[in-house]
This record gives sequence, structure tokens and C-alpha cells, in this order.
Amino acid sequence: EAQVTQNPRYLITVTGKKLTVTCSQNMNHEYMSWYRQDPGLGLRQIYYSMNVEVTDKGDVPEGYKVSRKEKRNFPLILESPSPNQTSLYFCASSLSPEGRQPQHFGDGTRLSIL
Amino acid sequence: KQEVTQIPAALSVPEGENLVLNCSFTDSAIYNLQWFRQDPGKGLTSLLLIQSSQREQTSGRLNASLDKSSGRSTLYIAASQPGDSATYLCAALGGATNKLIFGTGTLLAVQP
Repeated sequence: EAQVTQNPRYLITVTGKKLTVTCSQNMNHEYMSWYRQDPGLGLRQIYYSMNVEVTDKGDVPEGYKVSRKEKRNFPLILESPSPNQTSLYFCASSLSPEGRQPQHFGDGTRLSIL
Repeated sequence: KQEVTQIPAALSVPEGENLVLNCSFTDSAIYNLQWFRQDPGKGLTSLLLIQSSQREQTSGRLNASLDKSSGRSTLYIAASQPGDSATYLCAALGGATNKLIFGTGTLLAVQP
């Protein structure tokens, strides 16, 4: 089954404690991205990757890092999380760059930073 | 700067009713317009994608239209069912910016 898998689904942690949210897709997609969803603001792109070892900033990259060492994986790293990063996060993948073709989304990761 | 607006934020209808969800965008220079469905605790599922050269797309009971000149798209749902209850989001892909801008969604409740 074609899918995008995110882990963990839920996480409560404290300010400053490094965390990683993993994302994996099994569709051999080249394009992957991370979004955060906040009430009243819609989805905003954090980072995206056009292919292995190729990443770039989205609209709200501050406080986040990503890496793309393998085609299937695109982890999101919060080196020193802060409360304003409390949000619902989605990973997505597609065959071609953002929006050109329908994207497949993971089920989301709800992060709470205390 | 592209802005995408969805009104109303929430809508409740009785089962069987036909309904229309609205999406407005400020910059008509779009590459495509997409509609997604989001269920609680789930990610977004792509429903329909309308290229800028198209006027509408249909999938089953869903029909999406696009009017670039007026900056509007509508999602028509025929014979609504309780299983259609979800949040519906639209997103416009900028032709020059290549950025996908999402609306904040319409929460639809179909009452049995």
C-alpha cells in the first residue's frame, strides 16, 4: 500500500530537548516536504527536498533542520524546541515538485513543547 | 502575495443535500487549484486537481470548478452523506512562485 509514515504520532516534550520526527515514503517519490498546521493559519511549508541531498527552505524554516540521505526518508529535526513550535506537522511526498501533481500526506505528528 | 480564503469556516447540512464549498484566491496567475479532504487525526487526501487551463474536474459525487478571472473555485458535493463529514481545504499553486498556498478550510458536518 502506498503510504507516507510519520513517527511519532504524538509527542509531549520540554523546551530545549532535541527531537526528531521521522518520515518515510514507499512510492519512490523524489519530492518530499514538511508542513505545519496551525489554527487560522492553514498549512505552511517548513522545508522541502527535490531529491537526495537536495533540500531547501520553505516559508517557516526557523528552528528546524532536515536531511535527505535516502530517497525514502526525510526526517525533521528540532535542535532546541520552543513552545512556539507546538503544532501539527505533516510530511508529504509526490512525483514532481510541490503541487504539480497530487501529494500524498502522512497522518500527522502532534507536537506539544512545554 | 497570494492569499487563499475559504468561507464559511464551518457548515452543517442534512444528509442528502447538495452543497457548495467556496475558495477564493487573490492572484489569478496560478498553475493549478487543488481540493483536499482532511479527516480528524489523519493527513490530507487529494480529491481533485484543476489545471489553470481547465474549468472543472469531476470525481464521483464531487465536482470542482475554477474561474481564474474572478479568483474563485467551488467544490460541489452531490447528495451529501454523513461520511462526507470532514474538513475540506483548497490550495492554489502559484504559476510564478511555484508555492502551494493553502486555505484554512471549511469544516463540513453532514447530519444523518
